Amino acid sequence: DQQVKQNSPSLSVQEGRISILNCDYTNSMFDYFLWYKKYPAEGPTFLISISSIKDKNEDGRFTVFLNKSAKHLSLHIVPSQPGDSAVYFCAASEVQGGSEKLVFGKGMKLTVNP
Amino acid sequence: NAGVMQNPRHLVRRRGQEARLRCSPMKGHSHVYWYRQLPEEGLKFMVYLQKENIIDESGMPKERFSAEFPKEGPSILRIQQVVRGDSAAYFCASSPGPRLGYTIYFGEGSWLTVV
Repeated sequence: DQQVKQNSPSLSVQEGRISILNCDYTNSMFDYFLWYKKYPAEGPTFLISISSIKDKNEDGRFTVFLNKSAKHLSLHIVPSQPGDSAVYFCAASEVQGGSEKLVFGKGMKLTVNP
Repeated sequence: NAGVMQNPRHLVRRRGQEARLRCSPMKGHSHVYWYRQLPEEGLKFMVYLQKENIIDESGMPKERFSAEFPKEGPSILRIQQVVRGDSAAYFCASSPGPRLGYTIYFGEGSWLTVV
């Protein structure tokens, strides 16, 4: 069962426009959400996060929105740049049995065209 | 990703051999996590360790896989009698404390290919 879902495998946008990456989750016990960016043959790099007590967090060109009632979060990148082309993973933090771990979605490939 | 060191970056093993993947956490980090990424999949949690202790191994296959994080030296993920289905990218991550979130850092990964 996929607790964190990224239903669109890919997205292509023009440089300068907005990129919107979506993520849905099923576990209402998740209390922290993160976005990671990953280039081929490299490890994931932390991008931005949001606590479940907030509905928005902004860091430069990156903004994450959280809609708890809909169990949905999104990452907005504006303006998009060619260097943003990568695979983006949505992750949720789960505490279970005293141990906390990240649950990842399958990722979405973003291509920003010059 | 700077600081979390994984080796080897690429490893080829024949079916039935053993694979050992090593992870040195960032300086000052005593919590280590191993994740596996199969082709076309997201990262799946395998195991969470602190120095000399396995905290959570709920994501680790019950057979053939083991992990350790000794008092001295790197964390080791060991896969015995590898099969083709073990071919994947294995990522190690570390954090300074038990709370994840923005403090977790990933290594560059170890790509295991079983032939």
